[in-house]
Amino acid sequence: GAVVSQHPSWVICKSGTSVKIECRSLDFQATTMFWYRQFPKQSLMLMATSNEGSKATYEQGVEKDKFLINHASLTLSTLTVTSAHPEDSSFYICSARAQLSSYEQYFGPGTRLTVT
Amino acid sequence: QKEVEQNSGPLSVPEGAIASLNCTYSDRVSQSFFWYRQYSGKSPELIMSIYSNGDKEDGRFTAQLNKASQYVSLLIRDSQPSDSATYLCALKNSGTYKYIFGTGTRLKVLA
Repeated sequence: GAVVSQHPSWVICKSGTSVKIECRSLDFQATTMFWYRQFPKQSLMLMATSNEGSKATYEQGVEKDKFLINHASLTLSTLTVTSAHPEDSSFYICSARAQLSSYEQYFGPGTRLTVT
Repeated sequence: QKEVEQNSGPLSVPEGAIASLNCTYSDRVSQSFFWYRQYSGKSPELIMSIYSNGDKEDGRFTAQLNKASQYVSLLIRDSQPSDSATYLCALKNSGTYKYIFGTGTRLKVLA
């Protein structure tokens, strides 16, 4: 149980284009989903917290107009990187908190974004 | 500033030995703690959560929590080369569902 999927697993895009990443909880309903970014040899950096049906809460320093998050249902959240630039190249990982669980977060497999 | 500190390692142990990973934290109010394993190029995988003082065992893994001393540890018994990974300690930020992660300890189990 507690399986989270992400799509795509990797994507290469050109500078200036937008990329959408999907995060799905497959066998549970996720009240809260989180989006992280991880650069090589660094720890996870929380970008934003999203709750189903409400606006995402962004961490300090994360541009909400650049990283658009939508959490339209209890099983799906999307992250859209708008007008991507090479410095946005990173490993993007989502996690989900199950509705009735304790505080455990289950991570998706991640999406590796390369902007050329 | 709430912090979670881990020795970055690498911690090298021979196959079959006990690996001991430690984590200290600064927020006395924290109540929920988690250990994740992350293989290179992959996302974190939950090993164990611990909420109460003392030990919690799950297979070869034992988490230990001491709230008075503000540390949490993870013991891996009978370490295997497949346990070689980065181990992340996290705590739930009080008042939210967000985690604060440590920077991780890289474990190498030598065959």
